[in-house]
Amino acid sequence: DVKVTQSSRYLVKRTGEKVFLECVQDMDHENMFWYRQDPGLGLRLIYFSYDVKMKEKGDIPEGYSVSREKKERFSLILESASTNQTSMYLCASSFDAFTSGGFTDTQYFGPGTRLTVL
Amino acid sequence: KQEVTQIPAALSVPEGENLVLNCSFTDSAIYNLQWFRQDPGKGLTSLLLIQSSQREQTSGRLNASLDKSSGRSTLYIAASQPGDSATYLCAVVPEYGNKLVFGAGTILRVKS
Repeated sequence: DVKVTQSSRYLVKRTGEKVFLECVQDMDHENMFWYRQDPGLGLRLIYFSYDVKMKEKGDIPEGYSVSREKKERFSLILESASTNQTSMYLCASSFDAFTSGGFTDTQYFGPGTRLTVL
Repeated sequence: KQEVTQIPAALSVPEGENLVLNCSFTDSAIYNLQWFRQDPGKGLTSLLLIQSSQREQTSGRLNASLDKSSGRSTLYIAASQPGDSATYLCAVVPEYGNKLVFGAGTILRVKS
């Protein structure tokens, strides 16, 4: 079974702090994704990566950055956390090495990190 | 711009009923359509993926159909159980395969 793990289930941070959310997948997938999920807005793509050290902006990249130094690990960084970044953050991965971005293959999601910024 | 709508937003049924969840999308130029399940406070689990050339996919008590030309998909759950209670999300991949567009989901409660 594909396993996608996220470093924390719940996280509370203060405004202005630098926050790191870590995601690891164990299936040698090419592609990894970060989404945030908010009531009434659904899932929105923040960033994705289709290869090591490669990254692409999603629909809402402002205030975030990412890092993919190793194939299995994709980190989401909030440079200076703000209250409007309070959300559920979901990481996903997919194999799909044949199309750009890896959206056409099944995405496997981690359990999510509920981040609260005070 | 592709938009995905799911109706109803919430559904409550007694155990044992067969039920249908609906998903519609505005642009029929899609690569595939996917159904996910999300339990409260948790991540998404992929249920079924239907390629644009397919009409349906089945997995156990679940059957998903796709009518690309009319921009509709349905998820049929047979003999519902309390363990089926969750939010069900529909998502489409546009024809160029460059993103995944999610609906807002249907919250399903199966009462025992």
